[in-house]
Amino acid sequence: GDSVTQMEGPVTLSEEAFLTINCTYTATGYPSLFWYVQYPGEGLQLLLKATKADDKGSNKGFEATYRKETTSFHLEKGSVQVSDSAVYFCALSKGVTGGGNKLTFGTGTQLKVEL
Amino acid sequence: EAQVTQNPRYLITVTGKKLTVTCSQNMNHEYMSWYRQDPGLGLRQIYYSMNVEVTDKGDVPEGYKVSRKEKRNFPLILESPSPNQTSLYFCASSPSQTGVTSYEQYFGPGTRLTVT
Repeated sequence: GDSVTQMEGPVTLSEEAFLTINCTYTATGYPSLFWYVQYPGEGLQLLLKATKADDKGSNKGFEATYRKETTSFHLEKGSVQVSDSAVYFCALSKGVTGGGNKLTFGTGTQLKVEL
Repeated sequence: EAQVTQNPRYLITVTGKKLTVTCSQNMNHEYMSWYRQDPGLGLRQIYYSMNVEVTDKGDVPEGYKVSRKEKRNFPLILESPSPNQTSLYFCASSPSQTGVTSYEQYFGPGTRLTVT
């Protein structure tokens, strides 16, 4: 079945450091790929997405490129801030019969940014 | 404001006592879904619904029931909760169209359930 693997956390960085969170996927067909972020005590919010190979999703300084040849969707940010501290989830979406999309999530990576 | 609401946010109960977690969305979305979040496992889908009166099992449906009598509401029912259902539960909704996988899902704030 479909699956998403992302790097173990927690990841601790100093403010203004470069961030990479690795994500690889296994899926048949042509899934859409997502990064969701969960701030403490809150639900998940969409951070960015890409729907086909070589697409780059970007938002709030975060970027990720859909690499079909390596089945990867790594999340990057050039300079993290304390406010970026959260749990980050990589996910893929496949259609289900009749419409709609099911999300398959990775296990999440906790990021802690310190001053 | 477009949102998904869940109630209650926190619940402590005992084994075997039936409970319902409500979920409501105000975005006129066809697709709604329930997930549970457990450490080291990420989020796993429990049930989903394509539209009113149309529901189907996700990856971990055992011990749960759902109903979709109205488009905006999708309650999660635990008929006889057990300690292994202690978890953080999220409801989500999104638009729905055959063949489209890129729709964002909107998540509620979560319900933390403890079953003793």
